Amino acid sequence: ETGVTQSPTHLIKTRGQQVTLRCSSQSGHNTVSWYQQALGQGPQFIFQYYREEENGRGNFPPRFSGLQFPNYSSELNVNALELDDSALYLCASSLVPTEGARGYTFGSGTRLTVV
Amino acid sequence: AQSVAQPEDQVNVAEGNPLTVKCTYSVSGNPYLFWYVQYPNRGLQFLLKYITGDNLVKGSYGFEAEFNKSQTSFHLKKPSALVSDSALYFCAVSGITGGGNKLTFGTGTQLKVEL
Repeated sequence: ETGVTQSPTHLIKTRGQQVTLRCSSQSGHNTVSWYQQALGQGPQFIFQYYREEENGRGNFPPRFSGLQFPNYSSELNVNALELDDSALYLCASSLVPTEGARGYTFGSGTRLTVV
Repeated sequence: AQSVAQPEDQVNVAEGNPLTVKCTYSVSGNPYLFWYVQYPNRGLQFLLKYITGDNLVKGSYGFEAEFNKSQTSFHLKKPSALVSDSALYFCAVSGITGGGNKLTFGTGTQLKVEL
């Protein structure tokens, strides 16, 4: 079975710019969740998508938005980048919105640096 | 609101000795608890999960965790540590938010296993 693939692996952007991060979910998984992991911190929940609809959101401003496509791949878009947006962005897929017996499957993440 | 605390930033243990990584949680209702491991520049890997049943949960790579409801703890254990176990360990609790299902992570514990 394929795992979760994220692209790009690393990215440098300038404050005020916009960025799009991509995630291909594990085969057969219809739910994608996005997490932000700042340096030295645990991952923080951004939002979850289930069958192309947003299915829950954490405490992140509206400039963080997402999409899920019919093939269940997903994008995370961040507008008006701020220095504090620098972090590792993790995508996790699951068979259903609640975790299966194996839990979420996480990708290796996209390291975003805002300068 | 749900929360997880990992009181130790770092745990050092000699190879071959038993290891314990501590976690306490706060959640309304019955907890779904997880342990994940993160190697440098990688995503999170699922180790084990507690939903219900036996208080001792066995997981991947010889790890196990003990659920203690009265102490609201879910400590990660391994009888004999390996140098290759050195990594960052996260405890997490699952909960519902706005219709979605999210993981709330602790801040992580760096495990260092030395020869």
